Amino acid sequence: AQKVTQAQTEISVVEKEDVTLDCVYETRDTTYYLFWYKQPPSGELVFLIRRNSFDEQNEISGRYSWNFQKSTSSFNFTITASQVVDSAVYFCALSDLTTDSWGKLQFGAGTQVVVTP
Amino acid sequence: EAGVAQSPRYKIIEKRQSVAFWCNPISGHATLYWYQQILGQGPKLLIQFQNNGVVDDSQLPKDRFSAERLKGVDSTLKIQPAKLEDSAVYLCASSGTSGAQETQYFGPGTRLLVL
Repeated sequence: AQKVTQAQTEISVVEKEDVTLDCVYETRDTTYYLFWYKQPPSGELVFLIRRNSFDEQNEISGRYSWNFQKSTSSFNFTITASQVVDSAVYFCALSDLTTDSWGKLQFGAGTQVVVTP
Repeated sequence: EAGVAQSPRYKIIEKRQSVAFWCNPISGHATLYWYQQILGQGPKLLIQFQNNGVVDDSQLPKDRFSAERLKGVDSTLKIQPAKLEDSAVYLCASSGTSGAQETQYFGPGTRLLVL
């Protein structure tokens, strides 16, 4: 069965510090997709990244970077030099082909990031 | 490109009343999803449409929730009668088509409070 675990409920940092969000997933499928979304106080879920199970290259986009490790079933997210605008809830999500071929997303519980000036 | 639109943004009702939410997906997106997000939790899929057909409603409480997407574009989610535990944010999302590889794009959500 699909499962996504985000063990960190809340992380508080001071501006310019780096912050790493952990995501551990479970799936029996060999083909799956992992996502990160940001949910600011306004409530809308903003898509950040999609990664398929065959691409283990780490990715960097501006201050954001992602570390995908199939050996540990983890897909961690790092914000470098955090800013107040990064304050939000961040969700990791998984979709695979075995439990549901229609693209159902299984979300983690989310990690609240609080960045103070 | 316009994003996913939802209305209303906020709704307060009393238990046993009925309520309806509206969603207009990104133009051209065949797949539409309704999620329920209870405070402190991740979103949970309620129903998924591919064009105007339902492909997954396994987690929709069908005794009180209903949804339709008659013309394969916009969609309405209804709760009748509402219970206290229905207080949540209802998120609509859309994607180009169905499939594990598809990215879902979300609307701003409707915050429902049932008193």
